[in-house]
Amino acid sequence: GAGVSQSPSNKVTEKGKDVELRCDPISGHTALYWYRQSLGQGLEFLIYFQGNSAPDKSGLPSDRFSAERTGGSVSTLTIQRTQQEDSAVYLCASSPLRTGEDFGPGTRLTVT
Amino acid sequence: QKEVEQNSGPLSVPEGAIASLNCTYSDRVSQSFFWYRQYSGKSPELIMSIYSNGDKEDGRFTAQLNKASQYVSLLIRDSQPSDSATYLCAVEAGSYQLTFGKGTKLSVIP
Repeated sequence: GAGVSQSPSNKVTEKGKDVELRCDPISGHTALYWYRQSLGQGLEFLIYFQGNSAPDKSGLPSDRFSAERTGGSVSTLTIQRTQQEDSAVYLCASSPLRTGEDFGPGTRLTVT
Repeated sequence: QKEVEQNSGPLSVPEGAIASLNCTYSDRVSQSFFWYRQYSGKSPELIMSIYSNGDKEDGRFTAQLNKASQYVSLLIRDSQPSDSATYLCAVEAGSYQLTFGKGTKLSVIP
């Protein structure tokens, strides 16, 4: 079946611009996660959605970052006023709970 | 603060040998444990999950869990050059959220 998809696969933006990253989870997966991975670093948790519950935003690094999940499916991660330190690969994952997470291919964000 | 520790490596093993990857975790209530493989430039791929003490085997992979020692390991038998990747340990502590280690880079030498 179809896996987690993300778009765009690559995004180059100028410092100060806003960007939107999209994630389409696996159908039926109620949990959706956003992580980011900087070069040579581990996965940094950003935000977690579980069904209709309030999201766990504890990993968002600043108020420039926000995310929403519409209809329990597609999610959008928005970064406002991008900074060079935001450059990273942003990974989305979904899960049917307790079976580990299925990752999408990621969006490579480069802020110039 | 939940922590998952892994030796960053690189761990180099000759082709055909057993590769042993180790992971320790800090949260005693952790319930589920996962190993992911991440090839360079690719996203993580789940290869093993383990939930109870002991060994779990899947092909050339064996996951070992010791909750008393807060230790989980991954053994790769008959290592192949295609196994060369970074291996991430991840731990879930009942909140349906995984905490990842920084990964161990494995290099299998032909």
